[in-house]
Amino acid sequence: DQQVKQNSPSLSVQEGRISILNCDYTNSMFDYFLWYKKYPAEGPTFLISISSIKDKNEDGRFTVFLNKSAKHLSLHIVPSQPGDSAVYFCAARWTGNQFYFGTGTSLTVIP
Amino acid sequence: NAGVMQNPRHLVRRRGQEARLRCSPMKGHSHVYWYRQLPEEGLKFMVYLQKENIIDESGMPKERFSAEFPKEGPSILRIQQVVRGDSAAYFCASSPSRDRPDEQYFGPGTRLTVT
Repeated sequence: DQQVKQNSPSLSVQEGRISILNCDYTNSMFDYFLWYKKYPAEGPTFLISISSIKDKNEDGRFTVFLNKSAKHLSLHIVPSQPGDSAVYFCAARWTGNQFYFGTGTSLTVIP
Repeated sequence: NAGVMQNPRHLVRRRGQEARLRCSPMKGHSHVYWYRQLPEEGLKFMVYLQKENIIDESGMPKERFSAEFPKEGPSILRIQQVVRGDSAAYFCASSPSRDRPDEQYFGPGTRLTVT
């Protein structure tokens, strides 16, 4: 049962434009959401997070938006850079210890 | 400060053999998580350990899989009598505290291939 879904397996964006990666979840008990970036042959690296009590968190070029009523999470990258090309995973934590990951979206930023 | 280390990076086993995957957490981290990534899928939680304790193993298959995090040394994920379906990338992550989920640092993974 996939509780966290990333329905777009891939996304291509022109350099300098905005990248929007989306994530949907089913469990309203999730209390913390994270985005990770992964390069080939490496482990995921933490990018940005948001608590369920907030609806927006910003860190430089990266902004995460949380819409709890829609159970939807999005990551905005602006402006997009070629070095942003990677696979992006969203993840959610329940009040237990488990982190649930989406299947990832492969972002390609075209120079 | 060295990051999370996993070894081996690649492991090939024949069906029926045992696989041992090692994870050395970052210095000062006493919490370890193991995840499995099957082809075309996201990471799936397997087990959460603290030093000498299994806190949550609800994601572990009921048979053949076990994990430990001894007082000294790395965390070990052990898969007995491997089958082709065990072929996957196995990632561990470490954190200093459960209360800071954004401080979960991942290792580079071990890619297990069962032939």
